[in-house]
Amino acid sequence: GAVVSQHPSRVICKSGTSVKIECRSLDFQATTMFWYRQFPKKSLMLMATSNEGSKATYEQGVEKDKFLINHASLTLSTLTVTSAHPEDSSFYICSARADVNQPQHFGDGTRLSIL
Amino acid sequence: AQTVTQSQPEMSVQEAETVTLSCTYDTSESDYYLFWYKQPPSRQMILVIRQEAYKQQNATENRFSVNFQKAAKSFSLKISDSQLGDAAMYFCAYRNAGSNYKLTFGKGTLLTVNP
Repeated sequence: GAVVSQHPSRVICKSGTSVKIECRSLDFQATTMFWYRQFPKKSLMLMATSNEGSKATYEQGVEKDKFLINHASLTLSTLTVTSAHPEDSSFYICSARADVNQPQHFGDGTRLSIL
Repeated sequence: AQTVTQSQPEMSVQEAETVTLSCTYDTSESDYYLFWYKQPPSRQMILVIRQEAYKQQNATENRFSVNFQKAAKSFSLKISDSQLGDAAMYFCAYRNAGSNYKLTFGKGTLLTVNP
């Protein structure tokens, strides 16, 4: 149980393109979803927290207009990297949690490469 | 703010042997959760074990067990009978008990298992 699916697993695109990443909880309803960014050989950096039906809460230093997060249903959250540039290249990971007493379950991650 | 410290960037163990990964944390809260996550080369973060701070009994999951010392704010992970598939990056994580509290990760320990 507690499966989180993230799609796509890898994206390569040109600078200036907007990229959408989906995060789905397959067998539970996720009241809260989280988006992380991970640099090579580094820990996970939380970008934002989203609750279903509410605006996402962004961490300090994360541009809201750059990283658009939508959590329209209890099983789906999306992260859109708008007008992506090479410095946005990274590994993006989502996680989902059913309720406050449950642990976060992570997706497989998305490797984003901006040329 | 809470911090999580993993003082061992890398560890190695012989197959079938036991290894202990260290984690310390700093918090002023009394109610919280602690986690160990595993991130193998495939990159998906997998929950290994969790501990509720109010529980005195150390959590155990098959070959994985923790030594939770609340007063010392220490949360080490012991892997018994190490297997090749245990090779991964291990992250210790902390979360306040409550509604929307985020995970705070340590920097990780890269575990190598030698055949």
